[in-house]
Amino acid sequence: DAGVIQSPRHEVTEMGQEVTLRCKPISGHNSLFWYRQTMMRGLELLIYFNNNVPIDDSGMPEDRFSAKMPNASFSTLKIQPSEPRDSAVYFCASSFGVSGELFFGEGSRLTVL
Amino acid sequence: GENVEQHPSTLSVQEGDSAVIKCTYSDSASNYFPWYKQELGKRPQLIIDIRSNVGEKKDQRIAVTLNKTAKHFSLHITETQPEDSAVYFCAANDKTSYDKVIFGPGTSLSVIP
Repeated sequence: DAGVIQSPRHEVTEMGQEVTLRCKPISGHNSLFWYRQTMMRGLELLIYFNNNVPIDDSGMPEDRFSAKMPNASFSTLKIQPSEPRDSAVYFCASSFGVSGELFFGEGSRLTVL
Repeated sequence: GENVEQHPSTLSVQEGDSAVIKCTYSDSASNYFPWYKQELGKRPQLIIDIRSNVGEKKDQRIAVTLNKTAKHFSLHITETQPEDSAVYFCAANDKTSYDKVIFGPGTSLSVIP
């Protein structure tokens, strides 16, 4: 397996634009997580899916953020409208079960100007 | 919910010396404690984990100890090498919130040749 695949690797956009980040989890994994990493706040869990169903979105910062998982092999994280404070590295991770080894993607580095 | 604290935030050691990173957690129900290593510009990767039915686990130069009574767990790296330089994150599962993994703030380890 190629591991967790994220795209784009880098995104530079202007404030107010819509941003969509994509993730393909490892085949067979039933849990998918979106994390945001910044120097100030470390690794924050934004949302967690189990069997394609959103289980816990308490970490989603505000209504500008939304996430979907239409099937077992694809998830998106959308920010609309984007703001400079959204600049961060966004990681997608998958696992088999909730408290098992997390396999992270390479991350999407977002810069909002 | 679970809260994980980690100390020190930065650590410098001479090559060949040992490094110790300590973490505390708040929820006595937590029973899974992984450690992740993140090299600069890379994704976090699991290096070792421990479950609450054991007090210590070793894997070559890395060991983790767990004290459930005190709600402490530690990472020990012996005979450090320059390639051990990275940010290390401890984590614990949150049994009150879907068993999801909560990360500590991280320790930046520098091994000086």
